[in-house]
Amino acid sequence: DIQMTQSPSSVSASVGDRVTITCRASQGMNSWLAWYQQKPARAPKSLIYDTSKLESGVPSRFSGSASGTNFTLTITSLQPEDFATYYCQQYYRFPPTFGPGTKVDIK
Amino acid sequence: QVQVVESGGGVVQPGGSLRLSCVTSGGSFAFSSHAMHWVRQAPGKGLEWVTTIWHDGSDQRFADSVKGRFTITRDNSKNTVYLQLTSLRADDTAVYYCATDWQHQAAPIYYLNYWGQGTLVTVSS
Repeated sequence: DIQMTQSPSSVSASVGDRVTITCRASQGMNSWLAWYQQKPARAPKSLIYDTSKLESGVPSRFSGSASGTNFTLTITSLQPEDFATYYCQQYYRFPPTFGPGTKVDIK
Repeated sequence: QVQVVESGGGVVQPGGSLRLSCVTSGGSFAFSSHAMHWVRQAPGKGLEWVTTIWHDGSDQRFADSVKGRFTITRDNSKNTVYLQLTSLRADDTAVYYCATDWQHQAAPIYYLNYWGQGTLVTVSS
């Protein structure tokens, strides 16, 4: 199985900050990586697929990129509604696997 | 707007069984054209993919942790997918989410684009 790790595990930030979350795959893979946002007691919401494609309705302050086996989710100008836990997920190889999550909370 | 709604969770004793249901509605979503998934989240933990069923029900895949104990089926006439949980263990305690596969009319790609609110399964004596 492809193991996904995320860093940091948590980050404290303020409204307006730029936040970067990194997801690393245990082996080489193509661009088949997604990012999900989950707020407390809520279902995950798909944000980005194929590394950098935004789902419909997702604000443009969210972006995704990759370099080798490192994938990055960037939130420019953090908004109050962005405080949540973010998960990456690879769908390059079966079985699909998720990262452990990165919690973005209020500084 | 696609809606995904799960039901059927509850408290069950170890070794017991439960059947979860998931119905989709809304928008132009063609249920019968999309594979469906179940993903679970233990209390305070991350997301774990559990199982997938092809759009036409012709194939299924399971995580090793549930293989032989869980069964997934679907009824395309009712826009519903079912997850039968048997031989339940304490470590099956989780919120179970149903989600749609992005791919249309083909084998799943395992990108989950619409999710339900989840249903809680608690295995406890």
